[in-house]
Amino acid sequence: KAGVTQTPRYLIKTRGQQVTLSCSPISGHRSVSWYQQTPGQGLQFLFEYFSETQRNKGNFPGRFSGRQFSNSRSEMNVSTLELGDSALYLCASSLQGYEQFFGPGTRLTVL
Amino acid sequence: ELKVEQNPLFLSMQEGKNYTIYCNYSTTSDRLYWYRQDPGKSLESLFVLLSNGAVKQEGRLMASLDTKARLSTLHITAAVHDLSATYFCAVDTDGSGNTGKLIFGQGTTLQVKP
Repeated sequence: KAGVTQTPRYLIKTRGQQVTLSCSPISGHRSVSWYQQTPGQGLQFLFEYFSETQRNKGNFPGRFSGRQFSNSRSEMNVSTLELGDSALYLCASSLQGYEQFFGPGTRLTVL
Repeated sequence: ELKVEQNPLFLSMQEGKNYTIYCNYSTTSDRLYWYRQDPGKSLESLFVLLSNGAVKQEGRLMASLDTKARLSTLHITAAVHDLSATYFCAVDTDGSGNTGKLIFGQGTTLQVKP
């Protein structure tokens, strides 16, 4: 069974630009969660989607948004990038109520 | 707000020694997860602990959960260099597993020296 995939794996952007990251969950998983990992703040929850609906949102500004498609694939978008948005962005998929399996992550660098 | 705290945050140990990583959390939850992260890599699921008194073992690692004390431990037996990594515990925010929202501890970086 294929694992969680994320594209792209690496991104370099400049301040003020926007970026879209993609996540394909494990087949059959309908829940996709997104996390931001930085050395200073650790792993922080961004949001979670289940059956195309956002069920939970973390404490991030509105510049961070996401969506989920009918095939459970998910995208997250960050607009008006700031230097502090440089991070490893991880998505995880799960069957409802079970453990989350993480993808390899997208490393975003904002210059 | 749920808080998850690990200690120690950094652990340097000799091969062959035993040690324990502690994970405390602030609100009731019956679901706790342990993950491993190697440098530059993603998170690998190690253990899923779903009830009070749960104990799981895999190789030299053993995890346990005490929901009354809001404490989980990850015990390392006879450490080997391959166990060097950062270990995270994470708690499901409402305990039902239906939120898809995990709160992570700060991580414990384990360095095993030959």
